[in-house]
Amino acid sequence: DQQVKQNSPSLSVQEGRISILNCDYTNSMFDYFLWYKKYPAEGPTFLISISSIKDKNEDGRFTVFLNKSAKHLSLHIVPSQPGDSAVYFCAASRIGGADGLTFGKGTHLIIQP
Amino acid sequence: DSGVTQTPKHLITATGQRVTLRCSPRSGDLSVYWYQQSLDQGLQFLIHYYNGEERAKGNILERFSAQQFPDLHSELNLSSLELGDSALYFCASSGQTGATDTQYFGPGTRLTVL
Repeated sequence: DQQVKQNSPSLSVQEGRISILNCDYTNSMFDYFLWYKKYPAEGPTFLISISSIKDKNEDGRFTVFLNKSAKHLSLHIVPSQPGDSAVYFCAASRIGGADGLTFGKGTHLIIQP
Repeated sequence: DSGVTQTPKHLITATGQRVTLRCSPRSGDLSVYWYQQSLDQGLQFLIHYYNGEERAKGNILERFSAQQFPDLHSELNLSSLELGDSALYFCASSGQTGATDTQYFGPGTRLTVL
């Protein structure tokens, strides 16, 4: 049973445009959400996070939006750059827990020149 | 470079064998997490150690075990290997044990079981 779902295995966006990556979760105990970026032959790299007390968090070109009632979060990248081409993983956890992160299966973002 | 090192980078072995994967966390980090990434399952949490003590277990098989040593490096032991154990194994480290502490991932060990 997948608790974190990324329904788009891949997404192609033109350079300079907005990239929107989506993620849904089913476990209502999750209260902390993260996005990681992964290049081939490297480990995932932390990008941005949001706790459930917020509905938006911004860091430069990256913004994460959280809709708790819909159990949905999204990552917006504006403007998209060629170096953003990578696999993006959505992850979730419980702030009070010691468990590791629960990851989605990832979305492969391709930025077209 | 995340500061987390994993050895070896690649490992090829046969079914039924036992292997040990090693992880050195970032300097000063007390928590080590192990994850398995297989083709169909994505990244799955296996086990979490904090300052030498086991803190949480995820989807870790009984054939797998881990430990964290006094110098804080960690080892993941996989025994009675099966074809389905072929995967990328990542470790991650963080300063403390809280969910809001950023986890920094190593480059992974690719295990192939033939």
